[in-house]
Amino acid sequence: QKEVEQNSGPLSVPEGAIASLNCTYSDRGSQSFFWYRQYSGKSPELIMSIYSNGDKEDGRFTAQLNKASQYVSLLIRDSQPSDSATYLCAVNIRYGQNFVFGPGTRLSVLP
Amino acid sequence: NAGVTQTPKFQVLKTGQSMTLQCAQDMNHNSMYWYRQDPGMGLRLIYYSASEGTTDKGEVPNGYNVSRLNKREFSLRLESAAPSQTSVYFCASMRGLNEQYFGPGTRLTVT
Repeated sequence: QKEVEQNSGPLSVPEGAIASLNCTYSDRGSQSFFWYRQYSGKSPELIMSIYSNGDKEDGRFTAQLNKASQYVSLLIRDSQPSDSATYLCAVNIRYGQNFVFGPGTRLSVLP
Repeated sequence: NAGVTQTPKFQVLKTGQSMTLQCAQDMNHNSMYWYRQDPGMGLRLIYYSASEGTTDKGEVPNGYNVSRLNKREFSLRLESAAPSQTSVYFCASMRGLNEQYFGPGTRLTVT
């Protein structure tokens, strides 16, 4: 079983809609969770981090964490064509500073 | 403040050749990481260094060696390159257990 799973997509949404990206993880001891955005040919950049159950909002982005279900999601409101990218979920697993990334979900926002 | 820098940006090797990928950060971060990224696979951790003088294996360490030369620099060496090591390599650094900052990547092709 892969430690961090994401739907590979592509996920296509119209401009202005809400994009919902999902991630599940296998290690119940995981403590911190991150969403990175990666444009084609570029390096990943952090857009959200979340450490406790519930929602965390930052501008148009909301991260949601449910540790009981081992599930973390990212909502992008009012999606823009510039949001078209691959979104990587990353989990800091329990035994040290070892990060595990999911395969990424490719998002396409259609004008 | 350059952040995380990597050299070279591109490299082509023949099977069996060796090379070292260089990474440096100027943010005074303790932790540094080496990842490889293959299509559809997300980022996979090769090695990481939690502090100067320490290194630990990640998910895919075989065929690689690392050196944490000082707090700023963390190099990745391929002793005998194989076509399976064709990939994009990213270096990252991190303060505490929080955000990772990624370098621009090295695109390596082994023929």
